[in-house]
Amino acid sequence: NAGVTQTPKFRVLKTGQSMTLLCAQDMNHEYMYWYRQDPGMGLRLIHYSVGEGTTAKGEVPDGYNVSRLKKQNFLLGLESAAPSQTSVYFCASSYLSGRPQHFGDGTRLSIL
Amino acid sequence: AQTVTQSQPEMSVQEAETVTLSCTYDTSENNYYLFWYKQPPSRQMILVIRQEAYKQQNATENRFSVNFQKAAKSFSLKISDSQLGDTAMYFCAFMKHVDSGGGADGLTFGKGTHLIIQP
Repeated sequence: NAGVTQTPKFRVLKTGQSMTLLCAQDMNHEYMYWYRQDPGMGLRLIHYSVGEGTTAKGEVPDGYNVSRLKKQNFLLGLESAAPSQTSVYFCASSYLSGRPQHFGDGTRLSIL
Repeated sequence: AQTVTQSQPEMSVQEAETVTLSCTYDTSENNYYLFWYKQPPSRQMILVIRQEAYKQQNATENRFSVNFQKAAKSFSLKISDSQLGDTAMYFCAFMKHVDSGGGADGLTFGKGTHLIIQP
């Protein structure tokens, strides 16, 4: 009964390094989302996908890239990490737009 | 663009009391969805309740109910018989309706209300 799984759960990077966050869902959901949560803020949408092979920009897409090569996976990439990208990242998925989104447990990312 | 405002950064009530968390939103959309999510210290995002804007009846889920006032763009959450386990951040969120095949839209969140239930 995994639901939405995010890997890794915690990571520390140096400025300029690159990394990829992996999100995997086993509910056969079409829609997947990446959000970031900063202190004192609600979650903000980075990118989303409405199906395999599709991606779209959200509210705060700069500095991030995404890919959805398989329906169950949604990858978030940071090509050149910056301290402003220190945040907690959440992945979510839903069956249809407007339906409740199921969230992963988050990834805490620190950029030094 | 939509905005969601939660005007109460923190609230504290005694166990078993009833508490209401406020949420207002601004949108030009006529068809949309509203949600309340709970985030306990474990950091999980847990759906509390969902409301469809075209439904006039207020949604309820056990001890949780909403007061949805579409004209006033208000969506408050009432927690009855509050329990220690209700201690958490509560986020109000908005999503506009998108027709099938028309893509999607993510959630727009408020900044949250930290609810503390005192024993």
